[in-house]
Amino acid sequence: TQLLEQSPQFLSIQEGENLTVYCNSSSVFSSLQWYRQEPGEGPVLLVTVVTGGEVKKLKRLTFQFGDARKDSSLHITAAQPGDTGLYLCAGAEASGSRLTFGEGTQLTVNP
Amino acid sequence: EAQVTQNPRYLITVTGKKLTVTCSQNMNHEYMSWYRQDPGLGLRQIYYSMNVEVTDKGDVPEGYKVSRKEKRNFPLILESPSPNQTSLYFCASSYGDNSPLHFGNGTRLTVT
Repeated sequence: TQLLEQSPQFLSIQEGENLTVYCNSSSVFSSLQWYRQEPGEGPVLLVTVVTGGEVKKLKRLTFQFGDARKDSSLHITAAQPGDTGLYLCAGAEASGSRLTFGEGTQLTVNP
Repeated sequence: EAQVTQNPRYLITVTGKKLTVTCSQNMNHEYMSWYRQDPGLGLRQIYYSMNVEVTDKGDVPEGYKVSRKEKRNFPLILESPSPNQTSLYFCASSYGDNSPLHFGNGTRLTVT
């Protein structure tokens, strides 16, 4: 199983600040997915990136897939309390039948 | 509404008492999977199913069984639960093996 490391594990910031979450691996993925999980619920897909170097924007969230498809980042601009949650990255193996999840980044945005 | 439904949401049981956690999806997805989520360990796959009557082990299958007799249902069975199976369990489904997953809302299991 390919490993995905997320950093930081925990992040507590004030409303309005910017932040970046990283997802790194030594392995190549065919695609990478980002999910957000709120307490008492299952993870919900935010975005899928497929092409090396790809950048996708979802309102204040910017997702980037590394050129070599080994890493990804999530940048949030002007964070809001509603952004609070557990952010998970998941890499899809080029061949095989599973997603590998990172351990997650617990983000808390304080008002 | 498209959804994955797990039951029960909360379950407290004793060591050795067989239990089943049900999972049902209404999206006609072929792929279904079970995960457990533990602090510091993230989401780990227990079993997955590519289609009816096709199941395979994930990363942590020991102590668990699954079945896929119908496309929509994928129950997780613990024949003899042990305290180390205390965890938060998620069922998920998708159109294909690496397609984005739709998750249920989780089952919090405590084995004493």
